[in-house]
Amino acid sequence: DAGVIQSPRHEVTEMGQEVTLRCKPISGHNSLFWYRQTMMRGLELLIYFNNNVPIDDSGMPEDRFSAKMPNASFSTLKIQPSEPRDSAVYFCASSPVQGPYEQYFGPGTRLTVT
Amino acid sequence: GENVEQHPSTLSVQEGDSAVIKCTYSDSASNYFPWYKQELGKRPQLIIDIRSNVGEKKDQRIAVTLNKTAKHFSLHITETQPEDSAVYFCAASIGGNEKLTFGTGTRLTIIP
Repeated sequence: DAGVIQSPRHEVTEMGQEVTLRCKPISGHNSLFWYRQTMMRGLELLIYFNNNVPIDDSGMPEDRFSAKMPNASFSTLKIQPSEPRDSAVYFCASSPVQGPYEQYFGPGTRLTVT
Repeated sequence: GENVEQHPSTLSVQEGDSAVIKCTYSDSASNYFPWYKQELGKRPQLIIDIRSNVGEKKDQRIAVTLNKTAKHFSLHITETQPEDSAVYFCAASIGGNEKLTFGTGTRLTIIP
């Protein structure tokens, strides 16, 4: 099993640009989570999906952030327009169908907005 | 919603000694408590978990204890080694809910 796959691993962009982060969950997992990690705020849940349907997006910071899961094997997190304060490591995680829901994290995308 | 508090935020122990990290949770409906280890520059990885019908679970040098009455759980690492240096996160989830609420993390440093 390849585990959770994220791309790109590193992204450097200028303020105002659109950024798209990608995630492929572990095959057979039906829940997918997007987290943001910074030194100041720790590990924050942004949004999670169950069976491709967004269940809780209360952690999405503002309208500049959007996430989609068009099918069971792919999800995107988009930031438009990006700002320097969005600089962080973004993790995607997935968990299996049956509880109690161990989450497996991807390697993360380190985003730097200049 | 659930709230998880974790203490201490930093912990330094001599190699070979034991380390204990404590977490409290607010929602009595929580029934799943995993612990994650995150090494520098790496992803969080599950190291041990406990369910609410168990009071203690052990896996080699690590153990987790759960006190449902007091709503707290702890991670114990014995015979610490340099490779135990990392940030440790506790988490909790409410029965039937996939969402984990994480603690703020403990940076553990093992002094050789």
